[in-house]
Formats: sequence, C-alpha cells, structure tokens
Amino acid sequence: QKEVEQDPGPLSVPEGAIVSLNCTYSNSAFQYFMWYRQYSRKGPELLMYTYSSGNKEDGRFTAQVDKSSKYISLFIRDSQPSDSATYLCAMRKSSGGSYIPTFGRGTSLIVHP
Amino acid sequence: DAGITQSPRHKVTETGTPVTLRCHQTENHRYMYWYRQDPGHGLRLIHYSYGVKDTDKGEVSDGYSVSRSKTEDFLLTLESATSSQTSVYFCAISESSTRAYEQYFGPGTRLTVT
Repeated sequence: QKEVEQDPGPLSVPEGAIVSLNCTYSNSAFQYFMWYRQYSRKGPELLMYTYSSGNKEDGRFTAQVDKSSKYISLFIRDSQPSDSATYLCAMRKSSGGSYIPTFGRGTSLIVHP
Repeated sequence: DAGITQSPRHKVTETGTPVTLRCHQTENHRYMYWYRQDPGHGLRLIHYSYGVKDTDKGEVSDGYSVSRSKTEDFLLTLESATSSQTSVYFCAISESSTRAYEQYFGPGTRLTVT
C-alpha cells in the first residue's frame, strides 16, 4: 500500500460545479499537506498548503484536513474550464526524519463548458 | 514564477548512451531536487541536494547520478540510458528543508530512450 493514495480519475464536471478532490494517507506523522496543480506539459505549481488539521481558504479553493480519518480534500467552487488540470496532493512530516514530501499520483480534472 | 529553467526541454537518445540534464535556478535556494513523473506512479524523487557538493539519494536513484558544483546548478546524469528511463524529469527547489512544503518546479524535460 502506498503511503498516499489518490484516485487518478479523470473527473469530468460541468462549468460552475463544486469539485471535490481527495487523498488518503497511512502515515500519521504527516503534518504538512499540500496541493499542486499541473497543466498539461507543464511543471506542478503549488496551490496551497495547510499545517495539521483544519481548513484553509484561498479564493475559490478550500483545503481541508481530517487527521483522525487520514483524509484530505481540495474543494473548488464555481469551477471553470481553466481549472482543467491534474491536481496532486503531497504531504510531509514536521520533524524526526526526512522533510521530503510524498506525492500522490494526481487526479485529472476536466471542466467542460 | 520561480526562476527555474531546465535544459534540454526535449531529448531523444539511444540505449546505452550517457545523458545529462541541467537545472538552473536564480532564487538562491539551498535545496534542489530531481523527480521523474510517469503515468501511474506520480512524482518520484531521484536525488536531492542540500548544498554545494551535498547530495543524497531518493526513492529511485539506481542508474542516476547528480552533481552540484554551484548553488544555481544541479545536474542529473543517466550514466547509460535504458528504455525504462524514458520519462518526464522535473527539477524543483525549496528555500530550506523545513520549507520543503513549498517546492517550486521547473518546466520539465521530456526524455525518450530508444
């Protein structure tokens, strides 16, 4: 079992829909949780990160962490065709060893007009 | 955008030949990373550097070597390329190890080994 699991999709939604992207993980030592967006044939770009549990909002994007369930989510409100991309979750420990993030495989999102 | 460039952007090479990929940054970040990205596997760490001449292995380091003689440059060498090394290679940087939750990625190098 991989440390970080992410459904590769694709997830296809109509424009304006609320999108929910999710990852599960097995390592309870993870404390930082990141979401990256990757457009086709481009490098990943950091969207947002959260520390420990709770929610974080940035415009149309909300990141949510539930450490008790080892489950993180990224919500996109009022989705746009320009949101079509692959979304990668990543996570890392805060101390006691490697700080190198562990990435999920990415979920492909398609927002159609 | 973070100042990270990769060269070449595309390369086709033959099995058994050596290949060197270059990552150049203008951010003066201490940490640099090489990843490969393959369908079904996501991003996997090959090697990383925590300073000039300081490097360490990642998850999939076999068949790869790295060097860092200057802060701004991190080279990845495939000593004898194999078809299994056909992939997209990304360089990333971060300010420090504790800020590795903020990695910035280059545009990638698409390598095909025939």
